[in-house]
Amino acid sequence: EAGVAQSPRYKIIEKRQSVAFWCNPISGHATLYWYQQILGQGPKLLIQFQNNGVVDDSQLPKDRFSAERLKGVDSTLKIQPAKLEDSAVYLCASITSGRAGEQFFGPGTRLTVL
Amino acid sequence: GDSVTQMEGPVTLSEEAFLTINCTYTATGYPSLFWYVQYPGEGLQLLLKATKADDKGSNKGFEATYRKETTSFHLEKGSVQVSDSAVYFCALVNQAGTALIFGKGTTLSVSS
Repeated sequence: EAGVAQSPRYKIIEKRQSVAFWCNPISGHATLYWYQQILGQGPKLLIQFQNNGVVDDSQLPKDRFSAERLKGVDSTLKIQPAKLEDSAVYLCASITSGRAGEQFFGPGTRLTVL
Repeated sequence: GDSVTQMEGPVTLSEEAFLTINCTYTATGYPSLFWYVQYPGEGLQLLLKATKADDKGSNKGFEATYRKETTSFHLEKGSVQVSDSAVYFCALVNQAGTALIFGKGTTLSVSS
């Protein structure tokens, strides 16, 4: 079974630029999460999708972050414009329905904002 | 709101030493509890879980017991190996039952 795929693995940008991250969850997993993991901290939920609908985006900074999950499969997370404090690892995870604690994580995208 | 507190790291041990990583939680009700591990260069993966009070989760020689009285879920291993070097995260499912809340993580370094 293929795992959660993410790309790119690394990204370096200047502040005020835009960036996008892509995630392909495990086949058949209806629920998809995006987390932000700042160095030295645990992952923090940004947004949760159930199929192509948003379940929870209460911690997503909507003035600069956006995410979509077209057709309920792949997802894209965008930051525009980026700030220095957005430097972090962005993790994507997916689950089968109803098993929120047993998440399958991708390798993450490490973003550095200069 | 719900939260998880882990002991500060890094934890540095010699091979075959006993490991304890402390984790306490604050939550409404009795959430399911988890330990996740992140090996160098790899993604987070579930290590073990416990879904109700007094449950003991175990995997790969690691154990953790859900203690309702002390709101704790400490991770233990009797004899660590170099290959156990990783970052360990304690987590709980949020009140809505839809997502995880993580602690800050504890880095374990085991030397031979």
